[in-house]
Amino acid sequence: EVQLLESGGGLVQPGGSLRLSCAASGFTFISYAMNWVRQAPGKGLEWVSSISGSGSSTFYADSVKGRFTISRDNSNNTLYLQMNSLRAEDTAVYFCAEGEALRALGCWGQGTLVTVSS
Amino acid sequence: EVVMAQSPLSLCVTLGQSASISCTSSQSLVHSDGNTYLNWFQQRPGQSPSRLIYKVSNRDSGVPDRFSGSGSGTDFTLKISRVEAEDVGIYYCMQGTHWPLTFGGGTKVEIK
Repeated sequence: EVQLLESGGGLVQPGGSLRLSCAASGFTFISYAMNWVRQAPGKGLEWVSSISGSGSSTFYADSVKGRFTISRDNSNNTLYLQMNSLRAEDTAVYFCAEGEALRALGCWGQGTLVTVSS
Repeated sequence: EVVMAQSPLSLCVTLGQSASISCTSSQSLVHSDGNTYLNWFQQRPGQSPSRLIYKVSNRDSGVPDRFSGSGSGTDFTLKISRVEAEDVGIYYCMQGTHWPLTFGGGTKVEIK
């Protein structure tokens, strides 16, 4: 059974940094692309970033490009999202999701809440 | 960026009746590899999203056959036949053909 467990969320001041993690199990991690998608309180879904199985290809939404970095540790089956220069508009629940290929979002984790506020 | 427009915004359905949700993209979703990367997700209240349909009409494992997807090019539809109480939630279409990946605004399904 696929399991994705996000962690690392919390309250951070504007301009601050946070690193999210997503621990994966139940599938061959290196064979899957991975994604981050966020949902602001009471709002819809917004794709944030994707990374290929090998980690050689990465993609970002314009809203986070230059501030967020996606990475993965295939030896530990873990996905990361390093978030710098955080803004109030980055406040959201952040979900990780696996994809059988880039462009695909299959199973999702339960999400971790990031709140950017002074 | 490809804009995904969903309609209606909300839908109130009688148990056992059908419901249809429309999703229109601002560009064709046919990829150069011949596939159309249009997906449908369900988000039940308080839960994370789960994928129902991928590549227009393929149901994910465990998804009841009451859910069906159709369409081509820029116009797509999710149909829920014989709506059940567990179908309450918000439904999103998402395109994976063009970067950045984009979602529709969502359609809220409620039971009368």
